Amino acid sequence: DAGVTQSPTHLIKTRGQHVTLRCSPISGHKSVSWYQQVLGQGPQFIFQYYEKEERGRGNFPDRFSARQFPNYSSELNVNALLLGDSALYLCASSSDRGHGYTFGSGTRLTVV
Amino acid sequence: GEDVEQSLFLSVREGDSSVINCTYTDSSSTYLYWYKQEPGAGLQLLTYIFSNMDMKQDQRLTVLLNKKDKHLSLRIADTQTGDSAIYFCAESRLTGGGNKLTFGTGTQLKVEL
Repeated sequence: DAGVTQSPTHLIKTRGQHVTLRCSPISGHKSVSWYQQVLGQGPQFIFQYYEKEERGRGNFPDRFSARQFPNYSSELNVNALLLGDSALYLCASSSDRGHGYTFGSGTRLTVV
Repeated sequence: GEDVEQSLFLSVREGDSSVINCTYTDSSSTYLYWYKQEPGAGLQLLTYIFSNMDMKQDQRLTVLLNKKDKHLSLRIADTQTGDSAIYFCAESRLTGGGNKLTFGTGTQLKVEL
């Protein structure tokens, strides 16, 4: 079975641009969560979606948004990129809302 | 507070045991996790413990939970060079109608020959 897949693996963007990151959960998993990991730190929670509804939001500005599609895949959108948005963005899926998270390999975003 | 705390570095010799410590803050956490991250990679779930347990053993890994002190530890027996990585503890917290993981800063484990 395929694990959690994220695309693209690497991305370079310019300040002020927007970016869309994609995530496909493990087959059968209905919950997708997004995390930001800045170099040298632990991952920080951004969003959780379950059954296509937002179930939680971390302390991130409104420039960050996400959605979940009927097939449970998800997109994370970041507008007006700042240098500080450079990070590894991790997606995790689980079969329910509370346990058993499997992470993807992440998308490395560099903002220049 | 929000912080989950870990020591930053640990160096051990191959074959020795490694013990990585973590203190968490939310007494209502239901699950506590240990993840491993190798350079340039995502997070690999190593093991987890339910909050009503004191100990869990899984092959070379032993997790100890002291709920009174909010202290979690991961012991790796017979540490190998392939165990060199960053280890994160994480606690689960409720958020609205869902759940989020709150991670520590990570402990970099270096295994020397």
